[in-house]
Formats: sequence, C-alpha cells, structure tokens
Amino acid sequence: NAGVTQTPKFQVLKTGQSMTLQCAQDMNHEYMSWYRQDPGMGLRLIHYSVGAGITDQGEVPNGYNVSRSTTEDFPLRLLSAAPSQTSVYFCASSLEGTQPQHFGDGTRLSIL
Amino acid sequence: GEDVEQSLFLSVREGDSSVINCTYTDSSSTYLYWYKQEPGAGLQLLTYIFSNMDMKQDQRLTVLLNKKDKHLSLRIADTQTGDSAIYFCAESRDSSYKLIFGSGTRLLVRP
Repeated sequence: NAGVTQTPKFQVLKTGQSMTLQCAQDMNHEYMSWYRQDPGMGLRLIHYSVGAGITDQGEVPNGYNVSRSTTEDFPLRLLSAAPSQTSVYFCASSLEGTQPQHFGDGTRLSIL
Repeated sequence: GEDVEQSLFLSVREGDSSVINCTYTDSSSTYLYWYKQEPGAGLQLLTYIFSNMDMKQDQRLTVLLNKKDKHLSLRIADTQTGDSAIYFCAESRDSSYKLIFGSGTRLLVRP
C-alpha cells in the first residue's frame, strides 16, 4: 500500500527559482490538500481539491499554485520561491472532505 | 475564532498514563482528530471522534469530548518510549473541508 507519496523528500532552492512538489495517492480519494508546517505551529492549509478539475484556496495560498487534472495527482507549484516559503510541506487525502485525512511523509524545502 | 489550543509539552514516566488536552472554539465542529508525528515523519492518524459522541476507546487510547466546554483529551494508558512524539489535535466542520490544527503537544516518555 503506497498511500500518499510525496516527492522529493528534501529540496534546496535559491530565491526566485520555481519548482513543483509532487503528491500522488492510490486510494481513489476525491479530496486532496496541501499544508505547510512551520516550527512551533500546527499545519496551515495552502490549497485543496474536492475532485479532479476542482481546486480552491486555503488559509495561506499566496505564492503557490495547484492543479488537479487526475484523481491521483495534486502537484503544488512555487512560481518564484521566497525565503518565507522555507517549510515542511505535507500533502493529504481523504475519501471526502470530512473523512479522516491521510498524510504523506512531507517535503522539507529550504529557500536560500 | 478558529483557534485550537494545546499545551506545548508533557513529560511522563514509562508505564504511567499520559493525558494530552486540547480546546477548540467552534461549536459547529463535526469531527475532532488526534494525529501523531514522529521526528522527520508525516502525520499519522491515531483516532477521531464525531461530535455527537463523548468518549471513544481504542486499545490504549481513550478520547474524551466535552462539547459544552469545547474540550478534547487524549489519554494514553501504559505510556511507552515509542509514544514519544508530537501530538496534534485538529477539528473539521461540515461546511468546510479545512482541518484546523493545534500547534502540537510534545510528549516525552522517560524510562
């Protein structure tokens, strides 16, 4: 059982670079979401999707884009990385929005 | 407000019970969750409770919900060193797909 798979596990970027964090799930879950975790804080929702072709903003969406072309994949794009985006990023999925969410192992991103 | 609050740190001796507390502010919360995060890992769902329940037990874990006081607790019986981790409380509501997380309680289990 792969569950929720995130790649890469670690990444270092320079300010202004762009990159895509990948998230895939093999559980046929409709709902997927991206969170960021900063020291001493809980997770904050960046973007979420309730199904293929549908995305919406969470609590901290600025500087990030998402798309959901398939049920399985939900990539997160940083268009022009900034040091404030240094964080650990978690992808999660659930059968539908109010069901328990299953998390990936995270991507640790540092922006210099 | 949407705050979910937890104490930052708890230290217990191996074999004792641990009680981690959480308070939330929104009375429309439908599900309340406990997640465990070990160092360098993602969040593992431990248990969850629907808002019309006041208690749920699952092996060593007992969740108590006081809806009147908006207070949720997680009791871990016979705490082991492998239980050392950060525990997050989170809530979700019918009208929102958002999980609101507390900032986490770091549990340290001393041998």
